[in-house]
Amino acid sequence: AQTVTQSQPEMSVQEAETVTLSCTYDTSESDYYLFWYKQPPSRQMILVIRQEAYKQQNATENRFSVNFQKAAKSFSLKISDSQLGDAAMYFCAYRMTQGAQKLVFGQGTRLTINP
Amino acid sequence: KAGVTQTPRYLIKTRGQQVTLSCSPISGHRSVSWYQQTPGQGLQFLFEYFSETQRNKGNFPGRFSGRQFSNSRSEMNVSTLELGDSALYLCASSLNTGTSYEQYFGPGTRLTVT
Repeated sequence: AQTVTQSQPEMSVQEAETVTLSCTYDTSESDYYLFWYKQPPSRQMILVIRQEAYKQQNATENRFSVNFQKAAKSFSLKISDSQLGDAAMYFCAYRMTQGAQKLVFGQGTRLTINP
Repeated sequence: KAGVTQTPRYLIKTRGQQVTLSCSPISGHRSVSWYQQTPGQGLQFLFEYFSETQRNKGNFPGRFSGRQFSNSRSEMNVSTLELGDSALYLCASSLNTGTSYEQYFGPGTRLTVT
């Protein structure tokens, strides 16, 4: 079974600085999708960024970028120029390329932004 | 376009009762997935429905069931509620099944079992 591990329960960063959230996963599949979701206090899950395993290029969405290391099964999220609105729980998630829309989530990292 | 809506947003039930939660997907979306979120177990997949058929089911007891209607709206039902069923239940919709389609989440239903 696939598993996703986020080893940092909490992280904090000063506003305008850069922070990296870690995620590792375990799978025997060669093709899959990886995601970072943000869950603010409103509890609404918001997709931040996604990476397709067959693509070697790291995904980027504005201030958010990933470092995808397929061999190491590592998928970290870098947030540049942190803003107060970035404060939230961040979840790393995995999804197979075949089958239903089942996401496997990590335990989450609570990110605090210090003004 | 309206997002995923879930009703009710908050619910308090007594142990032993049953509960039905509703999810209306984004217009045109045909796949609906359900997740349970608890502090102890985190986010866990419950099931996915597509074209009124259950496509996949997570590791939950038979007390958890669901269905999807012809308009893609979905309901999940939990019978004989236990204290451990207290959780945030999230629904997500996508245009189609198959993993190339993004999932959009609703705001969740907070269920408290006393």
